[in-house]
Amino acid sequence: AQSVTQPDIHITVSEGASLELRCNYSYGATPYLFWYVQSPGQGLQLLLKYFSGDTLVQGIKGFEAEFKRSQSSFNLRKPSVHWSDAAEYFCAVDGVPGNTPLVFGKGTRLSVIA
Amino acid sequence: DGGITQSPKYLFRKEGQNVTLSCEQNLNHDAMYWYRQDPGQGLRLIYYSQIVNDFQKGDIAEGYSVSREKKESFPLTVTSAQKNPTAFYLCASSIDLPGDHYGYTFGSGTRLTVV
Repeated sequence: AQSVTQPDIHITVSEGASLELRCNYSYGATPYLFWYVQSPGQGLQLLLKYFSGDTLVQGIKGFEAEFKRSQSSFNLRKPSVHWSDAAEYFCAVDGVPGNTPLVFGKGTRLSVIA
Repeated sequence: DGGITQSPKYLFRKEGQNVTLSCEQNLNHDAMYWYRQDPGQGLRLIYYSQIVNDFQKGDIAEGYSVSREKKESFPLTVTSAQKNPTAFYLCASSIDLPGDHYGYTFGSGTRLTVV
């Protein structure tokens, strides 16, 4: 079965610093990959997605992610973090076999300090 | 504006009672999903539906039931058989199953507390 691992449960960064959130997946072929963000007490919002083409994907709110097939990774990055980026971030991958729901990681909680 | 509406936002239930969480979408999406979220556990899939009058169990379906009588609506009933129902419940929809190309649209959630 497909799986997604987000190794970092909680990350704290200073405002203005760069950010990288890690995501690793298990899959044989080229997967469909997603990053979502969740503010406290809210639903999830799609940040960006990848399913083919350029391995560097741009998303909303200044985020980007890079698909690296050799490392089975899809890490999320942002050059300069704002206090409003404090939230929980989820990586997701399409399910296997086909026609099954997306599989989500357990999430990484981001705290931003002044 | 199109979107998904979950109601109520907060719900309190006494032990032994069934309770139904509402999820309505006006996005004309075929597929709908229910997830349960607990701290540190991520999103766990309860049920999903690809089309009207059809639904499938997810990873943690025990103690829950759903119906899909209309395309727009996918209510979740938390029954008294659910041992630990206190959680945050999220409903989502996608154009189709599995929602590969466009991802999911999520509601804002219902927090259920058993008292």
